[in-house]
Amino acid sequence: DAGITQSPRYKITETGRQVTLMCHQTWSHSYMFWYRQDLGHGLRLIYYSAAADITDKGEVPDGYVVSRSKTENFPLTLESATRSQTSVYFCASSIQGNEQFFGPGTRLTVL
Amino acid sequence: AQSVTQLDSQVPVFEEAPVELRCNYSSSVSVYLFWYVQYPNQGLQLLLKYLSGSTLVKGINGFEAEFNKSQTSFHLRKPSVHISDTAEYFCAVSPLGNEKLTFGTGTRLTIIP
Repeated sequence: DAGITQSPRYKITETGRQVTLMCHQTWSHSYMFWYRQDLGHGLRLIYYSAAADITDKGEVPDGYVVSRSKTENFPLTLESATRSQTSVYFCASSIQGNEQFFGPGTRLTVL
Repeated sequence: AQSVTQLDSQVPVFEEAPVELRCNYSSSVSVYLFWYVQYPNQGLQLLLKYLSGSTLVKGINGFEAEFNKSQTSFHLRKPSVHISDTAEYFCAVSPLGNEKLTFGTGTRLTIIP
């Protein structure tokens, strides 16, 4: 039972480069989420998805793009990375009306 | 819109002493309430949740929380803490019928031997 996985776990990139963070869940949960965690801010929602091909913005969507062609995958792309996007990124999934289950996180550093 | 306030960013507690981590929320609609724990270099794990019914909710690892609607609070308590409870604790809310969670800024619990 793999649950929810994220890759890579650590990533260093440079300003202006495109970066894609992967999220995969094996539970067939309909909902998936992307958060960023920064000191003093807790976790903030970037994007979420209610089902395949249905996505919507969260609190801090600027500079990010998501897609969900398959229920189990929810990649997050930084089209042109900036230093302010240095953060720890968490993916989560849930069944409607239930708690969210979180992945182990990806630590992204933008130089 | 919802908001969550965790007033204490850090709480040091001696081992085997009781602890209370405070959480207050603001919402114009009814909400579900959650406490998550994050151990170092790990993702978040659900401690407990309040959806409806009894206002006293028991969770894993001996934690409990009480929902107080009049005070819009959902404080987390444990009668006797252990070294293994050292972690960051997050309170979160979601409006009924909406899957989006709003998190507080977290409370770092440090257990002193």
